[in-house]
Amino acid sequence: AQSVTQLGSHVSVSEGALVLLRCNYSSSVPPYLFWYVQYPNQGLQLLLKYTTGATLVKGINGFEAEFKKSETSFHLTKPSAHMSDAAEYFCAVRLTYSSASKIIFGSGTRLSIRP
Amino acid sequence: AAGVIQSPRHLIKEKRETATLKCYPIPRHDTVYWYQQGPGQDPQFLISFYEKMQSDKGSIPDRFSAQQFSDYHSELNMSSLELGDSALYFCASSSLEGAVYGYTFGSGTRLTVV
Repeated sequence: AQSVTQLGSHVSVSEGALVLLRCNYSSSVPPYLFWYVQYPNQGLQLLLKYTTGATLVKGINGFEAEFKKSETSFHLTKPSAHMSDAAEYFCAVRLTYSSASKIIFGSGTRLSIRP
Repeated sequence: AAGVIQSPRHLIKEKRETATLKCYPIPRHDTVYWYQQGPGQDPQFLISFYEKMQSDKGSIPDRFSAQQFSDYHSELNMSSLELGDSALYFCASSSLEGAVYGYTFGSGTRLTVV
C-alpha cells in the first residue's frame, strides 16, 4: 500500500532562510507525488507535482521538489522564505495504475516564518 | 477559470441531526472525491465517484452516504450527526485522464456539530 511520511509536524525558519520540508513515500509502483499547501481556514492548493520525466519539479511561489527514487523521497524546498509562506504543507501520493484512484495525504507540516 | 464549488461554506447542526453537503465540479470533470479533515488532522479520503458510480470508498461511516448526479454534481448526506463529525469537508474533482496529475479542491464546508 502506498503512503507518505512527513518528517516534522512543525518547522520554523527565519524570513529569507532556506525552507526544507521532508517527505518520504512508500509505494509498490512508481508513484505520482504532490505537495499541497493549505493557508489558515482555506482549501488545499496544489503547489507542484511529479508524474514522470524530470525529477526536479518547480511549483508556484518559488517552491520546488526533487524526486529521488533511491531515497524514496520528495522533499520540498524554497531558497528564501517569505512571511506569506506560513501555512500547512501536505505531501501526497497516488497510484499511477488505477482509474480514479485516491490521493493519500501525509500528516502535514506546519511552516512558521520568524521575522 | 471555474473552480470546484462547495456549499454551504459553513454549517452548524445539532447532534443527531442530518446534514447535506453539495459539490459542483469543474465543467467536464467526471470524477468527484470527498475528504474529511478534522481539526489539526490531514485530509482523510471518504468516497469517490466516476461517471455517477462509486469508484472507491475510504473511511466513510455508515451514517454517511453520497451520490453523483447526472450533471456530475455530488452530495454527501450525513445522518445522526455526532460531535466528532465536526470537521472541514473537502470535495475535489478531476477528469479521468487528468486524475493522475492531481485534483482541484474546493474551499470546503466547515461543519460544526453542537
